[in-house]
Amino acid sequence: EIVLTQSPATLSLSPGERATLSCRASQSVSSHLGWYQQKPGQAPRLLIYSASNRATGIPARFSGSGSGTDFTLTISSLEPEDFAVYYCLQRNYWLRTFGQGTKVEIK
Amino acid sequence: QVQLLESGGGVVQPGGSLRLSCAASGFTFSNYGMHWVRQAPGKGLEWVAIISSDGDDKYYSDSVKGRFTISRDDSKNTLFLQMNSLRAEDTAVYYCVKEETFQDYNFDYWGQGTLVTVSS
Repeated sequence: EIVLTQSPATLSLSPGERATLSCRASQSVSSHLGWYQQKPGQAPRLLIYSASNRATGIPARFSGSGSGTDFTLTISSLEPEDFAVYYCLQRNYWLRTFGQGTKVEIK
Repeated sequence: QVQLLESGGGVVQPGGSLRLSCAASGFTFSNYGMHWVRQAPGKGLEWVAIISSDGDDKYYSDSVKGRFTISRDDSKNTLFLQMNSLRAEDTAVYYCVKEETFQDYNFDYWGQGTLVTVSS
């Protein structure tokens, strides 16, 4: 089973600041990595697929990079609605695993 | 618009069984692979199972393999999850999720979730 490790667990930032979230895989997943945002009481929302492609309707301040085992989600300038929990998800043939999540909270 | 509506959650004793359903609408259900994802209270997301668009391929996480069975009825646009030998650690909100072929099979639509509580 491929394990995804996200860091940091919590990121305390102010609106307007840049957020950099990391996701590391225990073995290569090529570019089969997605990023999701979840707000309290809501289902997750797809932000990024194939490591660096924004999903439909996702603002340009969200960007993804990486391949193989190391991936990054960057939010260039935090808006109030961006404070949430972020998960990475890998696809290895049929199987999937999520990272444990990074909470982006208001400082 | 795409809608996924789960049902069947509730309270069940350890060792018991429960069957979850997910009614899909707004898209051609038979064309898409479908998943179940769960989230224990206050915890992160955990992928549970996948069924291919034709129903021939089914895969499970190690934590539920041998106890849970995913299935689909394309004539009724419905996804199922049969859960047997339930344990306290299966307590979670269970989400029905659609994958999108053209977004590297990521999850583009989620249901609102149904809560399963395993407790004596």
